[in-house]
Amino acid sequence: AQSVTQLDSHVSVSEGTPVLLRCNYSSSYSPSLFWYVQHPNKGLQLLLKYTSAATLVKGINGFEAEFKKSETSFHLTKPSAHMSDAAEYFCVVSDLQGAQKLVFGQGTRLTINP
Amino acid sequence: DGGITQSPKYLFRKEGQNVTLSCEQNLNHDAMYWYRQDPGQGLRLIYYSQIVNDFQKGDIAEGYSVSREKKESFPLTVTSAQKNPTAFYLCASSIKAGNTEAFFGQGTRLTVV
Repeated sequence: AQSVTQLDSHVSVSEGTPVLLRCNYSSSYSPSLFWYVQHPNKGLQLLLKYTSAATLVKGINGFEAEFKKSETSFHLTKPSAHMSDAAEYFCVVSDLQGAQKLVFGQGTRLTINP
Repeated sequence: DGGITQSPKYLFRKEGQNVTLSCEQNLNHDAMYWYRQDPGQGLRLIYYSQIVNDFQKGDIAEGYSVSREKKESFPLTVTSAQKNPTAFYLCASSIKAGNTEAFFGQGTRLTVV
């Protein structure tokens, strides 16, 4: 069965500094991986997705993530944080051959300090 | 505009009453999902449907029921058997189940008093 572990429940950075949100996954088959963002009391918006093409995936708002099969990781990064990036971020895995459902990590709350 | 609509945004109910949350999509997606979100617990899958007239239990289906009579609609009923129904409920849809991105509604916050 697939699973996702987000290694930090809360990350705090200063505006203009890099952001790193860590995600490890477990999957029996070739996974699809996603990062979603959620602002308070809102639905989730897709930031980026990996579906077995290029291992470095670029998303919206300057975010990117690198798929590393040897490390079973899919960490999310951004070179320079903006105040509007403050939100909850979810790493999600789905097996291409498995149960055909999305499995969410616990979420990482990102706080941006002025 | 295409999208997924949940209504109402806020819902209050007395303990012991059943309540139905609406979810409608005009994206022509086959798959639809219901998730429950509690603080610090991420999203947990309640039910999902891969096609009209078919649905499967997710990880926390007890106390909930769904129907999928139309492709665009996937209502969720929170029954009196659900022991702790107060939560934020999110509906999503995708072109097909599993490996494609999901589009989310804005959520319904249910409070049971």
